[in-house]
Amino acid sequence: ILNVEQSPQSLHVQEGDSTNFTCSFPSSNFYALHWYRWETAKSPEALFVMTLNGDEKKKGRISATLNTKEGYSYLYIKGSQPEDSATYLCAFRGLGGSARQLTFGSGTQLTVLP
Amino acid sequence: KAGVTQTPRYLIKTRGQQVTLSCSPISGHRSVSWYQQTPGQGLQFLFEYFSETQRNKGNFPGRFSGRQFSNSRSEMNVSTLELGDSALYLCASSLVTGDYEQYFGPGTRLTVT
Repeated sequence: ILNVEQSPQSLHVQEGDSTNFTCSFPSSNFYALHWYRWETAKSPEALFVMTLNGDEKKKGRISATLNTKEGYSYLYIKGSQPEDSATYLCAFRGLGGSARQLTFGSGTQLTVLP
Repeated sequence: KAGVTQTPRYLIKTRGQQVTLSCSPISGHRSVSWYQQTPGQGLQFLFEYFSETQRNKGNFPGRFSGRQFSNSRSEMNVSTLELGDSALYLCASSLVTGDYEQYFGPGTRLTVT
């Protein structure tokens, strides 16, 4: 069973603050790391798919970095807004066999206070 | 382009019954994956289908089964329902398997009483 961990479990920040979360995953047999945003009563929305060590991706105020050698990824949100309130999930996909299935972390629940 | 659709959205069943859930992927997408989301377990992988073939299966009992049709639509079936099967069942589609982005449907909320 693959272990994908996210921290913190939940986070409250003030509007305008910048914040970041961590996703830890196995450092061997890496294939891809996905980030999703899941707002209440909506479907999970894909943010990034990251495949290369050192990858940095950006979408608006949200960016992510990837370190496959040490098995972690950071998600950054700059100048948080109330509409950023959601659960942020990472998911690991490995190489071969059952590791090819997406294994999700338990998520970081972000609340941005106005 | 229409998104991933799932039917029904809500379902209430009794222990021992069986249920079939349906997922229609985004047009042109050939890969469909199913996930179960429970408060205690988070999102857990059930199956992945590509071109009507099951490519991967998660750690669930044989009561959980699925299939994919030639038009890429997929169904999952749960037989002999148990209370613990109460969950949100999500399906996601992608162009192909691998590192492509997955697009999730709204889910089917199953309650077993």
